[in-house]
Amino acid sequence: GQNIDQPTEMTATEGAIVQINCTYQTSGFNGLFWYQQHAGEAPTFLSYNVLDGLEEKGRFSSFLSRSKGYSYLLLKELQMKDSASYLCAVRDRGYSTLTFGKGTMLLVSP
Amino acid sequence: DSGVTQTPKHLITATGQRVTLRCSPRSGDLSVYWYQQSLDQGLQFLIQYYNGEERAKGNILERFSAQQFPDLHSELNLSSLELGDSALYFCASSVGGTSGGRGNIQYFGAGTRLSVL
Repeated sequence: GQNIDQPTEMTATEGAIVQINCTYQTSGFNGLFWYQQHAGEAPTFLSYNVLDGLEEKGRFSSFLSRSKGYSYLLLKELQMKDSASYLCAVRDRGYSTLTFGKGTMLLVSP
Repeated sequence: DSGVTQTPKHLITATGQRVTLRCSPRSGDLSVYWYQQSLDQGLQFLIQYYNGEERAKGNILERFSAQQFPDLHSELNLSSLELGDSALYFCASSVGGTSGGRGNIQYFGAGTRLSVL
């Protein structure tokens, strides 16, 4: 089985940087994903990590440490439209299915 | 637009009834996944089909069933509906079945909001 933990809520100011953490426990690991979900809308893919280290994509970066069962999503130059839920998900070895955390609701204020 | 199409967008029905949700995957994707999302449970995996065959099962109730047709579209059937079945139901698709890698990223449809009254 898998267990994924992430903070329930975070707040930040427009233009700032925020880091959303995710810890996981899994019997087998085959990738960690971050999705963004605005209220009532579809989750949209942000990033994928399978090896240790940092993956950067524009204002968003994601980090993975497999030995620590830890990942974070870093959002820079926050914009109001970044207010959303951020979902951490883990894929098990031998499967393509994902187990999602309950999500971190990020509120960006002016 | 992810390329995954779900219909209908909204569905309102009564307890005890049966409904069918439909999903068309992205062009070229062979896997379809169904998820249920409620406020208290988050996004829960229900079932996966790959090229017409069931590939993985998650927390799917016996009252729920799914299938994938030869044209790769999928349907999720929910029967004997209860108030607690009210939720957002998402379909996602990916290229492969059990393979990993960046090529097997799941892309989600806009969802069907089911309200059971």
